Amino acid sequence: KAGVTQTPRYLIKTRGQQVTLSCSPISGHRSVSWYQQTPGQGLQFLFEYFSETQRNKGNFPGRFSGRQFSNSRSEMNVSTLELGDSALYLCASSLVGQGDSPLHFGNGTRLTVT
Amino acid sequence: GNSVTQMEGPVTLSEEAFLTINCTYTATGYPSLFWYVQYPGEGLQLLLKATKADDKGSNKGFEATYRKETTSFHLEKGSVQVSDSAVYFCALSVTYSGAGSYQLTFGKGTKLSVIP
Repeated sequence: KAGVTQTPRYLIKTRGQQVTLSCSPISGHRSVSWYQQTPGQGLQFLFEYFSETQRNKGNFPGRFSGRQFSNSRSEMNVSTLELGDSALYLCASSLVGQGDSPLHFGNGTRLTVT
Repeated sequence: GNSVTQMEGPVTLSEEAFLTINCTYTATGYPSLFWYVQYPGEGLQLLLKATKADDKGSNKGFEATYRKETTSFHLEKGSVQVSDSAVYFCALSVTYSGAGSYQLTFGKGTKLSVIP
């Protein structure tokens, strides 16, 4: 069974630009979550989608948005990039998105904003 | 709110040494508890989990027991190997019944280096 796939692995963008990151969950998984990982803040929750609906959102500005498609694939978008957006963005999928079901993570997209 | 506190690293041990990484939590509701491991250049992998008080999660020689009375979930391994070198994250999840959503709250991570 293929794992969670994130594309691209690396991105370099300039301040003010926008970026779209893609995530393909494990087949059959309906819940997709996104996390930002930085050395200073650690892992922070961005949002979670289930059956194309955003069910929960973390404490990030509106520049961060996402969506989920009918095949459970998900994208997240960051507009008007800032230097502080440089991070590893991790996507994770879960079978049913309940409290005791573990997340399966992709290898992440490393975003560098210059 | 929910929070996870784990011991600061880095932790350096010799091969075959005993490992303990402390983790305590605060949570609204009854959380499930997890340990995840991250190897260089990779995402996080589930190491073990426990979903109720006194449950013991175990995997690959690692163990952790859900202690509700002390709100702790300490990770232990009796004899570490060089291949255990990685960053370890303690995490909790609480399901929000209204929206049916849940999210993981992570600790800051503890970097473990095992030397031969």
